[in-house]
Amino acid sequence: EDQVTQSPEALRLQEGESSSLNCSYTVSGLRGLFWYRQDPGKGPEFLFTLYSAGEEKEKERLKATLTKKESFLHITAPKPEDSATYLCAVLPEGNAGNMLTFGGGTRLMVKP
Amino acid sequence: DSGVTQTPKHLITATGQRVTLRCSPRSGDLSVYWYQQSLDQGLQFLIQYYNGEERAKGNILERFSAQQFPDLHSELNLSSLELGDSALYFCASSSRLGGRSQETQYFGPGTRLLVL
Repeated sequence: EDQVTQSPEALRLQEGESSSLNCSYTVSGLRGLFWYRQDPGKGPEFLFTLYSAGEEKEKERLKATLTKKESFLHITAPKPEDSATYLCAVLPEGNAGNMLTFGGGTRLMVKP
Repeated sequence: DSGVTQTPKHLITATGQRVTLRCSPRSGDLSVYWYQQSLDQGLQFLIQYYNGEERAKGNILERFSAQQFPDLHSELNLSSLELGDSALYFCASSSRLGGRSQETQYFGPGTRLLVL
């Protein structure tokens, strides 16, 4: 069974304090790994897709990396507006459709 | 704004009732997905349609059903509602199946369902 585990569940940072969020996954084969940002009461907002180990993607203060067992979302010098829940999802190989399996998310709070 | 629209934004109803949630995908997207998000279960895949045909099914209850119409909008029907069905329901769309850039799912703003 495909599994996605995100840690920590919650993370409090001071503005400017860099950190990383972890997404560990277990799938028979990985077609893609997706990162989303979700604000309270809103729909998930797409951030990145990673396809193979060693791949990295960057956007502003965020950088996502992928290994064979996990992905990291690095946040450099975060600002209060980066506060949100960050969701990781996997798309397994052999999937008849495009069914994503999501982790539980990391709730990030950045204090000024 | 992802380009995916969902109506209504909020829905309050009673146990035993039936409701219909509506989703319009991004322009040109052929695939529509429905997800349920509750506090204890996280974001769970329900069902996917591709160009009018059911493509994949998750742990969708028998009381729930969906369809995708020729204009590609989709409806999720929830019947015999129970208190535990209270959740956020999201629709997402992607352009096609296969092809890396075409698999990214873009989510709508959601419908918040409260069953009393």
